[in-house]
Amino acid sequence: DVQMTQSPSSLSASVGDRVTITCRASQGVSNSLVWLQQKPGKAPKTLIYGASRLQSGVPSKFSGSGYGTDFTLTISSLQPEDSATYYCQHHKNYPITFGQGTRLEI
Amino acid sequence: EVQLVESGGGLVQPGGSLRLSCAASGFTFSDHYIDWVRQTPGKGLEWVGRSRNKANSYTTEYAASVKGRFSVSRDESNNSLYLQMNSLQTDDTAVYYCVVVNTAYYPDYWGQGTLVTVSS
Repeated sequence: DVQMTQSPSSLSASVGDRVTITCRASQGVSNSLVWLQQKPGKAPKTLIYGASRLQSGVPSKFSGSGYGTDFTLTISSLQPEDSATYYCQHHKNYPITFGQGTRLEI
Repeated sequence: EVQLVESGGGLVQPGGSLRLSCAASGFTFSDHYIDWVRQTPGKGLEWVGRSRNKANSYTTEYAASVKGRFSVSRDESNNSLYLQMNSLQTDDTAVYYCVVVNTAYYPDYWGQGTLVTVSS
């Protein structure tokens, strides 16, 4: 199984800041990597697919990069509504696996 | 607009069974893979299983933790996906989501989830 490891597990930032979350896969997953956002009590929402492509309707303040084993999610111009837990997920093969999540507090 | 509405969750005793439903609308049901994903506070998000699309004969895949106990099926006539869960264990306690997979194989839309609690 591919293990997905995110860092940090949590972080605190201020309004207007830019933050970066990293995700490392235990083996190469090409660009079969998505980033999800989950707010408390809500279902996850897909932000980024193909490691770097913005899902329709997602603001351009979110960006992703990486290929193979190392990926990053960057969120710029932070606002209070960006407070959420962010997950990476690969879909290269079975089983599909997720990172443990990064809790972002603004 | 894509909509996924899960139902069927509830309280069940260890060793019992439960069938979850996911009513889908707003997309061509037969064209898409659909996953079940669950979430527990302790273990985070876990992929449970998948129903491929009609072109792939609705074949299925499962996580090792549920293989042999859970079964995914579809009913084209009412655009519904099901998760039959047998021999339930306390570790199966979670919120279960159905997720439409894009034709490029990434998760596209998520339902709101249904809570399953396995407890005596």
